[in-house]
Amino acid sequence: QKEVEQDPGPLSVPEGAIVSLNCTYSNSAFQYFMWYRQYSRKGPELLMYTYSSGNKEDGRFTAQVDKSSKYISLFIRDSQPSDSATYLCAMSRGNTGNQFYFGTGTSLTVIP
Amino acid sequence: GAVVSQHPSRVICKSGTSVKIECRSLDFQATTMFWYRQFPKKSLMLMATSNEGSKATYEQGVEKDKFLINHASLTLSTLTVTSAHPEDSSFYICSANRQGLNEQFFGPGTRLTVL
Repeated sequence: QKEVEQDPGPLSVPEGAIVSLNCTYSNSAFQYFMWYRQYSRKGPELLMYTYSSGNKEDGRFTAQVDKSSKYISLFIRDSQPSDSATYLCAMSRGNTGNQFYFGTGTSLTVIP
Repeated sequence: GAVVSQHPSRVICKSGTSVKIECRSLDFQATTMFWYRQFPKKSLMLMATSNEGSKATYEQGVEKDKFLINHASLTLSTLTVTSAHPEDSSFYICSANRQGLNEQFFGPGTRLTVL
């Protein structure tokens, strides 16, 4: 079983839609949860960073972590064509220098 | 803040040559840097973890004599692909862990094409 599972998509939505991206994981030791956005041929860009369970909101983006279910989500409200990218979830046990475990990424296209 | 650069952004070389890729943290000190490889439409594959002043830790299946990593300072790590072959063609991305924090900041990546 992979450490982190993520539906690769592709996901295609109309502009303005609410997008829900999800990851599940198997290691209960994970404490830090991240979402990265990667445009084609570019390095990943950190979008959201959360510690333990709960919600975190930043503009149109909301990250949710449910440690009891080992399930994390990223919601994008009022999606824009510029949100079209691959979204990668990542998680780690903690401590500086710890390895990050990445999902395979979900390809999102927002259609104008 | 937290900017990571990579150089070169793209390199094309002949089979058998060696290629060096630099990863720099521009505005922070990075105690740990990570090197990843990414194939088209695939996720990041961790190759190695490097800590400043010590030997890199390679992931299983990654040849340390093939992929030489040097982390000489808190702002610079280099990856040298020795005797490159076409199967080494890939997108190589580094990330840096800001000192004292558990966040990884990624460079823009280097696209290597071996002819």
